[in-house]
Amino acid sequence: AQSVSQHNHHVILSEAASLELGCNYSYGGTVNLFWYVQYPGQHLQLLLKYFSGDPLVKGIKGFEAEFIKSKFSFNLRKPSVQWSDTAEYFCAVPDSWGKLQFGAGTQVVVTP
Amino acid sequence: ETGVTQTPRHLVMGMTNKKSLKCEQHLGHNAMYWYKQSAKKPLELMFVYSLEERVENNSVPSRFSPECPNSSHLFLHLHTLQPEDSALYLCASSQDRGPGGGSTDTQYFGPGTRLTVL
Repeated sequence: AQSVSQHNHHVILSEAASLELGCNYSYGGTVNLFWYVQYPGQHLQLLLKYFSGDPLVKGIKGFEAEFIKSKFSFNLRKPSVQWSDTAEYFCAVPDSWGKLQFGAGTQVVVTP
Repeated sequence: ETGVTQTPRHLVMGMTNKKSLKCEQHLGHNAMYWYKQSAKKPLELMFVYSLEERVENNSVPSRFSPECPNSSHLFLHLHTLQPEDSALYLCASSQDRGPGGGSTDTQYFGPGTRLTVL
């Protein structure tokens, strides 16, 4: 079975700080990886995804994620966060049946 | 207009009530999903439909009953719920579903229905 671990449940940081959110998964047969974001009061929406090719993926709003197959990781990064990046971030990875498994989420709060 | 809409946005019901949640997608997608989002827990996939065919998640109690009359509409019928069923219920759609009932296509989510069972 697939399990998806997000190591940080809550992150608080100041504007302009760098952000890195960890995501590890257990089933290595997949190469489709996702980060979703849920801004306060808004829908869950896709931030970025990796299907193939360059393991460094660029997403919206300056986010990027790096797929490291040997480490079963797909960490999310942003060099300089803004107050508007306050949100909950979810890593999602399909299991062996193709069903998308979500991590528990990381609540990120950016203070002005 | 957003691609996936859900009604109602909030619902309070007693344990003996029967209610239904509605989801509609305007994206021309073939697959639709129900998820349960509880506090401090990962999103739980409940049901998947593709072209009106259901792929059932066996761990979902029978008090939750999905219905997909066409590829644009998805319902979740609720009856004799328990307080622990209180959660945010999210609907999503994707272009297609993958093998085993899941999907690796991007999923588009609705705003959810906040359900409280008293």
